[in-house]
Amino acid sequence: GQQLNQSPQSMFIQEGEDVSMNCTSSSIFNTWLWYKQDPGEGPVLLIALYKAGELTSNGRLTAQFGITRKDSFLNISASIPSDVGIYFCAGPSPQGGSEKLVFGKGTKLTVNP
Amino acid sequence: DAGVTQSPTHLIKTRGQQVTLRCSPISGHKSVSWYQQVLGQGPQFIFQYYEKEERGRGNFPDRFSARQFPNYSSELNVNALLLGDSALYLCASSSGQRAFYEQYFGPGTRLTVT
Repeated sequence: GQQLNQSPQSMFIQEGEDVSMNCTSSSIFNTWLWYKQDPGEGPVLLIALYKAGELTSNGRLTAQFGITRKDSFLNISASIPSDVGIYFCAGPSPQGGSEKLVFGKGTKLTVNP
Repeated sequence: DAGVTQSPTHLIKTRGQQVTLRCSPISGHKSVSWYQQVLGQGPQFIFQYYEKEERGRGNFPDRFSARQFPNYSSELNVNALLLGDSALYLCASSSGQRAFYEQYFGPGTRLTVT
């Protein structure tokens, strides 16, 4: 099936540092979504992107829709301990059934106080 | 407003048994999707229902079935459980149209098959 490749797989950073992660696909996506999942919880929608080149912020989080439409980026500025969790990118499956979301395997973020 | 709710929170079943998981969407949302998430992976799409009709189905065997009720709540049924069905089952709701893509997840049901 369609794969979204996320990198890095995991990150260990100090509180206050900025974080960058990305998501790539071999197929074009018309929408990119970024979710955060805490242990034992469901994913929480952070940002939705609908247009190539679009840059959208949600507090300290900023996400970009790559101009090739095959990638997206998420940045977190001035990280804090509650940023710990797994960050997933997702998008509607290019293989039809646009309501079907495909997810990457996630980037696990650890923030050391 | 209440978010997506799911029940039960945890469930332990034996191989060969059947299980029913329940989901109530956010008020006003007419679309419900089901996902399976195994440890270390992202959620994998199982079904989507909109206005009580199936709109999409993922690559899961016929042992998996679902339905949506007139109040837009939904049930996911899994028959003849296998050990490999152990996972977190997530329900997500969306309002429809462009916002189909903006799916809001519940806390999930943790299913353990022994």
